[in-house]
Amino acid sequence: DARVTQTPRHKVTEMGQEVTMRCQPILGHNTVFWYRQTMMQGLELLAYFRNRAPLDDSGMPKDRFSAEMPDATLATLKIQPSEPRDSAVYFCASGLVGVEQFFGPGTRLTVL
Amino acid sequence: RKEVEQDPGPFNVPEGATVAFNCTYSNSASQSFFWYRQDCRKEPKLLMSVYSSGNEDGRFTAQLNRASQYISLLIRDSKLSDSATYLCAVNTGRRALTFGSGTRLQVQP
Repeated sequence: DARVTQTPRHKVTEMGQEVTMRCQPILGHNTVFWYRQTMMQGLELLAYFRNRAPLDDSGMPKDRFSAEMPDATLATLKIQPSEPRDSAVYFCASGLVGVEQFFGPGTRLTVL
Repeated sequence: RKEVEQDPGPFNVPEGATVAFNCTYSNSASQSFFWYRQDCRKEPKLLMSVYSSGNEDGRFTAQLNRASQYISLLIRDSKLSDSATYLCAVNTGRRALTFGSGTRLQVQP
């Protein structure tokens, strides 16, 4: 049963600390997405990659967020320094071009 | 105007009822359409794709109206387990999916 995996599932940290979230996409999917979900804003696209190349990161605050895909089995989203307003659930999703996306279980981030 | 809009609800319906949600999209070039279901504190899960000819999966029917730029989801014979938030998603060309903010459904005994 192929699925997207994410680690950690929960993260509590203090303001100013670095946070790294990891995602393993479904094998064979060439597109990886990072979303953030909050009650107020809903599901927001932060960035996405196709064949490991970043295609769009316009949804990310560039000064503190960075996303990379060092290989086909790993995508990372980093926040440095973290702020309380970054508290949210961060979802990774993978898929193929132009079709449905499959979501991982998310990382629930709390920044104190 | 948001690219994808949904009525947030909640829709409170009794078991066995039929309920329908609509989702409007602003970009006429949109090509792919989906309904996702999200349970509380869980990830969105694909419920069904929406084809031009409409499609049905058991108690669920999805329709696309290109002229009026909306998609719909019909749930017949609602079950308690259908209680969730339903998100529509639209793809324009080769971009990422754009999601609506979701419609919350609460099925009551």
